[in-house]
Amino acid sequence: AQSVSQHNHHVILSEAASLELGCNYSYGGTVNLFWYVQYPGQHLQLLLKYFSGDPLVKGIKGFEAEFIKSKFSFNLRKPSVQWSDTAEYFCAVNLGSSNTGKLIFGQGTTLQVKP
Amino acid sequence: GAGVSQTPSNKVTEKGKYVELRCDPISGHTALYWYRQSLGQGPEFLIYFQGTGAADDSGLPNDRFFAVRPEGSVSTLKIQRTERGDSAVYLCASSLTLDSRDEQFFGPGTRLTVL
Repeated sequence: AQSVSQHNHHVILSEAASLELGCNYSYGGTVNLFWYVQYPGQHLQLLLKYFSGDPLVKGIKGFEAEFIKSKFSFNLRKPSVQWSDTAEYFCAVNLGSSNTGKLIFGQGTTLQVKP
Repeated sequence: GAGVSQTPSNKVTEKGKYVELRCDPISGHTALYWYRQSLGQGPEFLIYFQGTGAADDSGLPNDRFFAVRPEGSVSTLKIQRTERGDSAVYLCASSLTLDSRDEQFFGPGTRLTVL
C-alpha cells in the first residue's frame, strides 16, 4: 500500500530562518504530489502541487518544493519564514494514472515561527 | 463563490448513538471525498463519490459507516452505533472533475466527540 512519511513532526523557527520540511512516499508508479497547509482555525488549503515537468515547483506565499524521483521525495522549502507561516503542513500523494483523486496524507508537520 | 461547507461544526454524542454529518460541496463539482482526521494525524481517506454513486468506499472502517449523495450534490456520512474510537474530525472535499490532478477544496470539518 502507498504511504507518505513526514519526518519532522514539530519544527520551531525564528522569523527569517529558512525552512525545509521533508516528505517521502512509497509508490513505484506515477504519482501526483501535493502540499496542503492548515492555518490555525482555518481549513486545509492547497499550497502547491506537482504532476510532471520541471521538478521544482513554486506555490503561494513564497513556498516551493522539489520532486526528486530517485529519492521518492517532495520536500517543501521557503527561504525566509514569517510569523504568519505558523501552521500545520501536510504532504499528500495520489496515483497519477488513476481516475480518482483519492489522497494519501502524511501525518503532518507543525511549524511554529517565533516573531 | 462559496466554498465547501459542513454541518454541524461540532457534534457530541454518546456511545451507541447514530449520527449524520452533512457536506455541501462547491456547486458544479463532480467529485466528493470524505476523510477522517484523528488527533495528531493526517487526513485518512474514507469514501469518494462520482456524481451520485460511491466510486470507492475502501476507506470506510466497517459497516457502521455509510455515506450517500442521492442527487449528486450534498452528501451525508452516517455512523451507526458510535464508538469512542470514532471521535475525530470528519473532513469533506470536492473537486471539479475526477482527474487526479484536480485540486480538492476542503471544508472546515465536523468535530465528532463520542462520550
